[in-house]
Amino acid sequence: AQKVTQAQTEISVVEKEDVTLDCVYETRDTTYYLFWYKQPPSGELVFLIRRNSFDEQNEISGRYSWNFQKSTSSFNFTITASQVVDSAVYFCALGTRSGANSKLTFGKGITLSVRP
Amino acid sequence: GAGVSQSPSNKVTEKGKDVELRCDPISGHTALYWYRQSLGQGLEFLIYFQGNSAPDKSGLPSDRFSAERTGGSVSTLTIQRTQQEDSAVYLCASSLARSGANVLTFGAGSRLTVL
Repeated sequence: AQKVTQAQTEISVVEKEDVTLDCVYETRDTTYYLFWYKQPPSGELVFLIRRNSFDEQNEISGRYSWNFQKSTSSFNFTITASQVVDSAVYFCALGTRSGANSKLTFGKGITLSVRP
Repeated sequence: GAGVSQSPSNKVTEKGKDVELRCDPISGHTALYWYRQSLGQGLEFLIYFQGNSAPDKSGLPSDRFSAERTGGSVSTLTIQRTQQEDSAVYLCASSLARSGANVLTFGAGSRLTVL
């Protein structure tokens, strides 16, 4: 069975602070994919990043960076110098490669509030 | 279409009534998913369709819930004899194929309120 745990439920920071959103996953599959989605107040989920289980290289995209560690089954997301527009609910998700049970399993989400 | 379209965006109904929620996926996307988002509960998988294959209904919470996808495109999620606990945002998503590797594109959701 697949499981995604986002232990943090709500985080509040002041603008320009750095913030890390944690994600821990469980799966028995050796090939899998990890995702982060952002859900702004408008409601529509927006894809941010996908990593496969064979690529543990950390990734940086502007103010966003992701730290994938198989040893701890974690895929954490850091926002550097946060801005008010970063306020949203962030979901981590896990997908298997293919097969009859292929579907994404989402965590419960982390509500991030960035105060000016 | 350019994105995943869902209707209605908001629906208020009385307990016991039936409701239908519609999803129009991105053209060319063969996989279509329904998720439910309740307050504080994250995204709960309901059902998905892939081409002409039998749908995976493993996430439907009760037999009051059903969904169909006509012609491999538009999908309708039907909730019969609605209950207050059915109140939630129902999200539809589509992707190129049924695979855990694929990126899902979500619609804006249909917010259902059962009084």
